[in-house]
Amino acid sequence: KAGVTQTPRYLIKTRGQQVTLSCSPISGHRSVSWYQQTPGQGLQFLFEYFSETQRNKGNFPGRFSGRQFSNSRSEMNVSTLELGDSALYLCASSVGTVNTGELFFGEGSRLTVL
Amino acid sequence: AQTVTQSQPEMSVQEAETVTLSCTYDTSESDYYLFWYKQPPSRQMILVIRQEAYKQQNATENRFSVNFQKAAKSFSLKISDSQLGDAAMYFCAYRGANAGNMLTFGGGTRLMVKP
Repeated sequence: KAGVTQTPRYLIKTRGQQVTLSCSPISGHRSVSWYQQTPGQGLQFLFEYFSETQRNKGNFPGRFSGRQFSNSRSEMNVSTLELGDSALYLCASSVGTVNTGELFFGEGSRLTVL
Repeated sequence: AQTVTQSQPEMSVQEAETVTLSCTYDTSESDYYLFWYKQPPSRQMILVIRQEAYKQQNATENRFSVNFQKAAKSFSLKISDSQLGDAAMYFCAYRGANAGNMLTFGGGTRLMVKP
């Protein structure tokens, strides 16, 4: 069974640009969550989608947005990039939103903002 | 808001020995779940072990076990018979009972295993 796939793995952008990251969950998983990982702030929850609906949202500005498609694939978008947006963005999927369900993480997308 | 604290930024252990990683959390909820995740240098996070707060028995997964002290809001991870492959960042995480898949992570502990 293929794991969680994130694309692209690495990307470099400049301030003011926008970026779209993609996440393909494990087949059969309907929940996708996004996390930002930085050396200073650690791992922070961005948002969670289940059946194309945003279920939870973390404390991030409106420049961060996401969506989920009918095949459960998810994208997140960051507009008007700032230097502080440089981070590893992790996607995780699970079968549903039951709390005992295991989260499976992808390898992440490393974003560098210059 | 819930917080998770890992007070040990780095730990080292000799191969085959035992090491304990500490984690404390703060919450006003009575029902929640706690996790330990491992992030090797390849960066993919892997679930090591989980504990439901309503269960008094400490969770165990092979060489990994936890010491869950609900009143003290403490959740430590013990790794027995440490192996070189255990070297990684370890994150303690909290999830409220009604929080879906929204995890609150601690700052992490880097574990080094000496041969």
